[in-house]
Amino acid sequence: GESVGLHLPTLSVQEGDNSIINCAYSNSASDYFIWYKQESGKGPQFIIDIRSNMDKRQGQRVTVLLNKTVKHLSLQIAATQPGDSAVYFCAEEVSGAGSYQLTFGKGTKLSVIP
Amino acid sequence: NAGVTQTPKFQVLKTGQSMTLQCAQDMNHEYMSWYRQDPGMGLRLIHYSVGAGITDQGEVPNGYNVSRSTTEDFPLRLLSAAPSQTSVYFCASSYSRGRLGYTFGSGTRLTVV
Repeated sequence: GESVGLHLPTLSVQEGDNSIINCAYSNSASDYFIWYKQESGKGPQFIIDIRSNMDKRQGQRVTVLLNKTVKHLSLQIAATQPGDSAVYFCAEEVSGAGSYQLTFGKGTKLSVIP
Repeated sequence: NAGVTQTPKFQVLKTGQSMTLQCAQDMNHEYMSWYRQDPGMGLRLIHYSVGAGITDQGEVPNGYNVSRSTTEDFPLRLLSAAPSQTSVYFCASSYSRGRLGYTFGSGTRLTVV
């Protein structure tokens, strides 16, 4: 079946720089996307979400961009801090009757260099 | 407000044993689900429930059973444990599908020997 994937498994950035984590999805019917952060030994933590009727959404230090034309999702983290070091997952969901399945990508590990 | 609580945090089982992983949430969420996380595989949906008395299968349901007798609890049962079920299991809940994402528990690390 179709699934969400990620371009890079690891990303290292200098503290203070901006980070960009990418995600490619293949299910054109997906209309809801979420980014999660997972620290070692913990469960995924919600960061930000976006619906398919939007192409950009901003939170505190984070921005999610959605390009439906090329089925691409990205998470931008401004002024990356050591506490941002974690694995980041994108996930997609298809709205509609009977559809409650959130499909996760494999994750990108972000390492922040002090 | 404890959020989503999973017990136990760690468990070792012998092949063929059965056990129940507990999940409870105190947020009055209607939607609850179970995922397993394997290295390099991301999270995969096992079973989910959209409300008390209603359950359905996810991507990888074989070998697992669930029930939802109350809104708060959503236990996951391993009927006859196999080494392939060695994984980290996460329970998640949501007020409604597609709203503010899902809240995850801290996970249960299960090893089947």
